[in-house]
Amino acid sequence: DAGVIQSPRHEVTEMGQEVTLRCKPISGHDYLFWYRQTMMRGLELLIYFNNNVPIDDSGMPEDRFSAKMPNASFSTLKIQPSEPRDSAVYFCASSGETYTEAFFGQGTRLTVV
Amino acid sequence: TQLLEQSPQFLSIQEGENLTVYCNSSSVFSSLQWYRQEPGEGPVLLVTVVTGGEVKKLKRLTFQFGDARKDSSLHITAAQPGDTGLYLCAGDLDTGNQFYFGTGTSLTVIP
Repeated sequence: DAGVIQSPRHEVTEMGQEVTLRCKPISGHDYLFWYRQTMMRGLELLIYFNNNVPIDDSGMPEDRFSAKMPNASFSTLKIQPSEPRDSAVYFCASSGETYTEAFFGQGTRLTVV
Repeated sequence: TQLLEQSPQFLSIQEGENLTVYCNSSSVFSSLQWYRQEPGEGPVLLVTVVTGGEVKKLKRLTFQFGDARKDSSLHITAAQPGDTGLYLCAGDLDTGNQFYFGTGTSLTVIP
């Protein structure tokens, strides 16, 4: 298996623009997670899905952030409009039966200028 | 305030030395995981501990879960430059489906 695949690896955008991050989880995994990592706050859980259904989105910082999982093999995290404070590395992870043992993608480094 | 506090935050040691990293909380966890993250990559799962007092070994790494399931430690024997990275503990609360990562320990092993 290729593991969790995220795209793009790097994204630089101007403040106010819409940003869409993409994730393909490991085939057969029931859980999908979106995390954000910064030096100041460490690794933060934004939202997670179980069988394509959002279970907990309490970590989503504000209404500018939205996530979807239209099918078992694809998820998106969208920021609209983006702000400089959204600059971070965004990770997607997936897991099988035990939702705590997650496999992470390589991340998307987002820079909003 | 972070639910899982790790110490030390930064650690720089010489190759061959031993070290211990701590992960502490006032909350009880059903299970606790340790991950290692290298620059430019995502965290990679090293181990999961689920029973209070449990000890697991992975080559030169020894993981222990506290008896009360509130804390954990990672001990590395004879550290190698390949051990360099960010070590993260993570756990799910005993009270339900809530999963948290620790603050992280950045380890540098100097050849």
